Amino acid sequence: ETGVTQTPRHLVMGMTNKKSLKCEQHLGHNAMYWYKQSAKKPLELMFVYNFKEQTENNSVPSRFSPECPNSSHLFLHLHTLQPEDSALYLCASSQGRRGVTGELFFGEGSRLTVL
Amino acid sequence: AQSVTQLGSHVSVSEGALVLLRCNYSSSVPPYLFWYVQYPNQGLQLLLKYTTGATLVKGINGFEAEFKKSETSFHLTKPSAHMSDAAEYFCAVIRYGQNFVFGPGTRLSVLP
Repeated sequence: ETGVTQTPRHLVMGMTNKKSLKCEQHLGHNAMYWYKQSAKKPLELMFVYNFKEQTENNSVPSRFSPECPNSSHLFLHLHTLQPEDSALYLCASSQGRRGVTGELFFGEGSRLTVL
Repeated sequence: AQSVTQLGSHVSVSEGALVLLRCNYSSSVPPYLFWYVQYPNQGLQLLLKYTTGATLVKGINGFEAEFKKSETSFHLTKPSAHMSDAAEYFCAVIRYGQNFVFGPGTRLSVLP
């Protein structure tokens, strides 16, 4: 496989469920990101990891819990979500973080619906 | 803080017509500039980028963009629209030490 792979592509969950989104990159990058894309809103950066260390958390509610066990894998653990959390969650990776001109490579996204 | 504006949340063109999607950024120091495209139910894909050098950059699918420092603009063009160009287009900038900043996006419709 190549690029950035996200699973599942679609997820429907109730407000009391616990689920996880998975992202895997096969590009040898060292930085990984979670973005949230809601209808009629700009892309929102949620979390940034660089060499497995979280370097940024953009005031994301604690019901979203990221995990980065290594530079190739990134998870987003979800629990007690709200309907307004329904969105497309995009994972991205890049070679380097600050000061690097390399572009972001995105996965195809996980479409989350919270009932 | 940096910001990116894209004039027109929705642009419609006829097939074969010129495509022009506008992007302006606010920055006292020229950033690195990108255009991404997003097809329905997919992630973002890089169309083209400007870092240094020639200000007219060519990308995939016949798109190109010109960096104009004096106008703080990075407009995206394509001479002749194709039905397959219908998608959402995002302009993005990044400066040293900062995260990517994305514009709100422009949805391009191509009419037969």
